[in-house]
Amino acid sequence: AQSVTQPDIHITVSEGASLELRCNYSYGATPYLFWYVQSPGQGLQLLLKYFSGDTLVQGIKGFEAEFKRSQSSFNLRKPSVHWSDAAEYFCAVGARGGGADGLTFGKGTHLIIQP
Amino acid sequence: KAGVTQTPRYLIKTRGQQVTLSCSPISGHRSVSWYQQTPGQGLQFLFEYFSETQRNKGNFPGRFSGRQFSNSRSEMNVSTLELGDSALYLCASSLAQGDNEQFFGPGTRLTVL
Repeated sequence: AQSVTQPDIHITVSEGASLELRCNYSYGATPYLFWYVQSPGQGLQLLLKYFSGDTLVQGIKGFEAEFKRSQSSFNLRKPSVHWSDAAEYFCAVGARGGGADGLTFGKGTHLIIQP
Repeated sequence: KAGVTQTPRYLIKTRGQQVTLSCSPISGHRSVSWYQQTPGQGLQFLFEYFSETQRNKGNFPGRFSGRQFSNSRSEMNVSTLELGDSALYLCASSLAQGDNEQFFGPGTRLTVL
């Protein structure tokens, strides 16, 4: 079965500093990988996705993520965070061709931005 | 293009009651998936509907059910509510069955008293 681990429950970053959120997955083959963001009381917004090809993917709001097969990781990065980036971030994995389990999500990382 | 809409946004029910939640997918999307989000368990897959048929189901009891209509709108129903059913229920739409690129609605916050 597929699984996702986000090791950091909370991360605090100063505004303007760089950010990296960690994500490790377990899956038998090359999966589809996603990062979503959730603001309080809201649904999930897709930041970026990896299906195949270039392992460095660009997303919305200045975010990027790098797929590293050897490390089973898909870490999210941003060079300079803004106060509006404070939110909950979820990494997710999906089976190629669809699967019986839908998307499998990590537990999330709560991002706090210090002024 | 309008996004995924869910109604109602908030619900309060008591134990033993049943509830129906509604989801309208993005126009042209034919697959609808439902997820339950709780602080303890996180986001968990409930089921996926495509062409009015349930295609996949997560590990939830039979009290959780759903259906999809010919216009791709979907409803989920929870019968005999328990306190533990209190959660944010998220609907996601995608173009086709098994399409991993899912777009989420704002959710329905269900509180069971």
